[in-house]
Amino acid sequence: AQSVAQPEDQVNVAEGNPLTVKCTYSVSGNPYLFWYVQYPNRGLQFLLKYITGDNLVKGSYGFEAEFNKSQTSFHLKKPSALVSDSALYFCAASGFQKLVFGTGTRLLVSP
Amino acid sequence: DAGVTQSPTHLIKTRGQQVTLRCSPISGHKSVSWYQQVLGQGPQFIFQYYEKEERGRGNFPDRFSARQFPNYSSELNVNALLLGDSALYLCASSGDRERYEQYFGPGTRLTVT
Repeated sequence: AQSVAQPEDQVNVAEGNPLTVKCTYSVSGNPYLFWYVQYPNRGLQFLLKYITGDNLVKGSYGFEAEFNKSQTSFHLKKPSALVSDSALYFCAASGFQKLVFGTGTRLLVSP
Repeated sequence: DAGVTQSPTHLIKTRGQQVTLRCSPISGHKSVSWYQQVLGQGPQFIFQYYEKEERGRGNFPDRFSARQFPNYSSELNVNALLLGDSALYLCASSGDRERYEQYFGPGTRLTVT
């Protein structure tokens, strides 16, 4: 069965600094991996996906993610954080006909 | 183009009552999935429908049911509500060309008292 782990409940970073939100996965077969962001009282917004190809995936709002097969990781990154990036971030893996989500990581960017 | 829409936005029900939540997918999307997000947790898969047929079901009791209509909109029904059913219910749609990419609606916040 697919599973996704997000080891950090919260990540704190100062505005302008690089940020990393960690995700590890356990899937059978080729992994299809995703990052979503959730703002208060809102649904999930798609950020980026890895299906195949380059290990560095670029997505919306300047975010990117690095797929590492040997470490079964798919960490979300951004070179320079903005206060407006503060939100709840979810990593997900595509299982059979469904998405399996991690527990989420709250990102707090301080001015 | 309109995204995934859900109604109502908020709902308050009493234990034992029944509730129906509605979802309209992105135009052209034939697949609709439902997820339950309890506060502090990640979304949990409930159902997937494609072309009006159930294609997947998560680990939820039979009190939860859903259906998809010819226009691909969908309803999620929950009977005999429990306090633990209080959650944000998310609907997502996906198209045939990118089946693995799901687009989420804003959700319906259900509170059971």
